Amino acid sequence: DAKTTQPPSMDCAEGRAANLPCNHSTISGNEYVYWYRQIHSQGPQYIIHGLKNNETNEMASLIITEDRKSSTLILPHATLRDTAVYYCIVRAVYNNNDMRFGAGTRLTVKP
Amino acid sequence: GAVVSQHPSRVICKSGTSVKIECRSLDFQATTMFWYRQFPKQSLMLMATSNEGSKATYEQGVEKDKFLINHASLTLSTLTVASAHPEDSSFYICSARIRSSDQPQHFGDGTRLSIL
Repeated sequence: DAKTTQPPSMDCAEGRAANLPCNHSTISGNEYVYWYRQIHSQGPQYIIHGLKNNETNEMASLIITEDRKSSTLILPHATLRDTAVYYCIVRAVYNNNDMRFGAGTRLTVKP
Repeated sequence: GAVVSQHPSRVICKSGTSVKIECRSLDFQATTMFWYRQFPKQSLMLMATSNEGSKATYEQGVEKDKFLINHASLTLSTLTVASAHPEDSSFYICSARIRSSDQPQHFGDGTRLSIL
């Protein structure tokens, strides 16, 4: 599966949109982009995933560039409870590969 | 959404004790389950992958005789840390998903293991 690159940390003001970038320049055609987050001392929580179209759910939006080499996770109105480590993972689904976690981005939402 | 239940959430025991951690998929059949370990301030590291009814596949450097994995049914996998020592103290997290699907892996809430 392709590797991903994320900034180690970001800050965001409460109530503002949090935009978390992810680079996956070696992504191949059958690989999906998944986003998870981990709040301290809990298991990772699934947020959203996509292949090439932009996706939106009740938690976030996922914007994938046309060449699919990067993506952005958008939390539209960040709250203090969104403070967590966010992981961007690329995985080919039609095999048995697991999720491999990088270092992620530590997002701190400030009042 | 899909739920993965992990039990116990915390274990404190003496060195030399064997500890069993259970992972259950509550509302879906998990053909594949994964076990991860996470040390403080580090990311999750995959330990092993198990498919229902077959032997687990361990990552390099993970001792299969120490970390015994059983995936006896489509809803249950267990990790047994045999004769645990203080260096085995860590946060253990299980994950489950439907095989060969774009559906995401879902994770349990983890087990904090402390060996005295």
